[in-house]
Amino acid sequence: QLQLQESGPGLVKPSETLSLTCSVSGASVADSTLYWGWIRQPPGKGLEWVGSIYYSGTTYHNPSLKSRVTISVDTSKNQFSLNLRSVTAADTAVYYCARSNSRVLPVARFDPWGQGTLVTVSS
Amino acid sequence: QSVLTQPPSVSGAPGQRVTISCTGSSSNIGAGYDVHWYQQLPGTAPKLLIYGNNNRPSGVPDRFSGSKSGTSASLAITGLQPEDEADYYCQSYDIILNGVFGGGTKLTVL
Repeated sequence: QLQLQESGPGLVKPSETLSLTCSVSGASVADSTLYWGWIRQPPGKGLEWVGSIYYSGTTYHNPSLKSRVTISVDTSKNQFSLNLRSVTAADTAVYYCARSNSRVLPVARFDPWGQGTLVTVSS
Repeated sequence: QSVLTQPPSVSGAPGQRVTISCTGSSSNIGAGYDVHWYQQLPGTAPKLLIYGNNNRPSGVPDRFSGSKSGTSASLAITGLQPEDEADYYCQSYDIILNGVFGGGTKLTVL
């Protein structure tokens, strides 16, 4: 059964870099039929797509995050990661990783999702 | 504002039918891209409810159904049950923005 698990610091200081890793079990991040994505949800608010990555390293990210986002994949560890630079309080959110079921579009249906991890930006 | 527009809230009594709309534009739903729906129970991660406009993953009751027309989509829930009380989100692909979600709709079972 496919499972995803986010990990990383729960507290990040303003202006620093948020770094999260998604560990995948039950499937390979090197599967050429899939993309892998990050989605976030600020407390009490809705879902926002952050970005997606293909096993080859091709990435797509939300334009609203401009150039602050880097997503990478490590096929040897069966993981993919998110780095968000220059964070502010507005980046405080639960961050989810998920599988995107498509080899054509970087954002298709997300299933399944990890349980999510809360990252708070505060000094 | 979200790229896909949903009503903030809907409500219904047990056994009733409710619908949740999701309105997009010519760069996403209207361009022919699929709409997917998620259910988020309090304190949990979203769960795929409907994919490809009107398909149910294994295990999702047939009380849940989806449809799409033009630049909009809808989620219908029949035979409303107390455990359906949750937040519901639509999602699609956008030519310019890539991934887009609706703002979410809170369903209250009266």
